[in-house]
Amino acid sequence: DTAVSQTPKYLVTQMGNDKSIKCEQNLGHDTMYWYKQDSKKFLKIMFSYNNKELIINETVPNRFSPKSPDKAHLNLHINSLELGDSAVYFCASSPKLAGAKNIQYFGAGTRLSVL
Amino acid sequence: QKEVEQNSGPLSVPEGAIASLNCTYSDRGSQSFFWYRQYSGKSPELIMFIYSNGDKEDGRFTAQLNKASQYVSLLIRDSQPSDSATYLCAVNGWNNQGGKLIFGQGTELSVKP
Repeated sequence: DTAVSQTPKYLVTQMGNDKSIKCEQNLGHDTMYWYKQDSKKFLKIMFSYNNKELIINETVPNRFSPKSPDKAHLNLHINSLELGDSAVYFCASSPKLAGAKNIQYFGAGTRLSVL
Repeated sequence: QKEVEQNSGPLSVPEGAIASLNCTYSDRGSQSFFWYRQYSGKSPELIMFIYSNGDKEDGRFTAQLNKASQYVSLLIRDSQPSDSATYLCAVNGWNNQGGKLIFGQGTELSVKP
């Protein structure tokens, strides 16, 4: 059983389109995250949610809208896709929001290519 | 100054040698430190985490933390070709800042048979 699963794994689309990425975790964790990894492999936080509540919005353009219907799911909708949005998007989850031993577990990633 | 800095590499070591990966961070209040391994095209996978000064050992891996110097390292003993990957250092802020991890740019390790 995959602990943190994302769909789709690959997404190829045209500039200006709207697309969504879904994430689900079956670990019973309270906290979920979206990270973006650029072509230089730099991994940066975008959002964090704790029990469906938005905690972090790391100065991400408002074309990106996360939604958490319940604490096991965190989806990412992107409007008006731009070339610069091409990256790998990782979903992650952790048992809780804070704590020295609060380990984050990552999904397999969604490789988004905007043409 | 970047919040978390690593040498991007590539770091090349022969099989059986010790690989030493280094990371410095700027926030003195940082609480926890994580080493993730990422194979090409795969997701980051946790290797070790450490939050107290000193050494922490797990099999062939040893994490070392020096908060006074704002320095954390990962040693891999008896390096194997399967250890070839990018190693990401990540730091959790003093108040956890909403749980976010701040990552370095990663060090690419190549272990030659």
